[in-house]
Amino acid sequence: GENVEQHPSTLSVQEGDSAVIKCTYSDSASNYFPWYKQELGKRPQLIIDIRSNVGEKKDQRIAVTLNKTAKHFSLHITETQPEDSAVYFCAASSGSSGDKLTFGTGTRLAVRP
Amino acid sequence: GAVVSQHPSWVICKSGTSVKIECRSLDFQATTMFWYRQFPKQSLMLMATSNEGSKATYEQGVEKDKFLINHASLTLSTLTVTSAHPEDSSFYICTAGPEYEQYFGPGTRLTVT
Repeated sequence: GENVEQHPSTLSVQEGDSAVIKCTYSDSASNYFPWYKQELGKRPQLIIDIRSNVGEKKDQRIAVTLNKTAKHFSLHITETQPEDSAVYFCAASSGSSGDKLTFGTGTRLAVRP
Repeated sequence: GAVVSQHPSWVICKSGTSVKIECRSLDFQATTMFWYRQFPKQSLMLMATSNEGSKATYEQGVEKDKFLINHASLTLSTLTVTSAHPEDSSFYICTAGPEYEQYFGPGTRLTVT
């Protein structure tokens, strides 16, 4: 089955700096890679995703890059703000309708004001 | 994004009793839903895949006789924790999606005393 590794487990940055979280996956059949943000006591929220036919996707301050050859993908947050503080999870799936997601172990991001 | 609801949001029960948790897709039909468990400061662990009209598929190590799943309609899946014990205390959360994206329900915090 799929195995997703995520690094770092914790990340502390100064407000305004950039944050990068990296994930690797094992199954070459995986084609869909979403990122979720989970605030304390709340459900994970989908913040950005990418499919394997695209190498990079950007949405305002958030971007995701994918290297399918190396089987890794990354989340980039620029101009970080205190409200970006949360736990971020990467995930992978085949991209087929109704296929399960395999999650990374999560990264706790703290943005220092 | 699509809307997934979950009920109840929290429940406290006594050891040995059973608890039923509902997951509903509000604005789409879902032939497949997923049930996860999340312990404090940990990642999301897939428990089972709920399939409409057929038996659920359980992940390795998850007792199917303890965690009963019923996917009675295209918008409702239920998870029943039978003979609950304190070690079953956790955050239970479902996901569903109209296509390959998965959206989280708000989660159910179960405390077994």
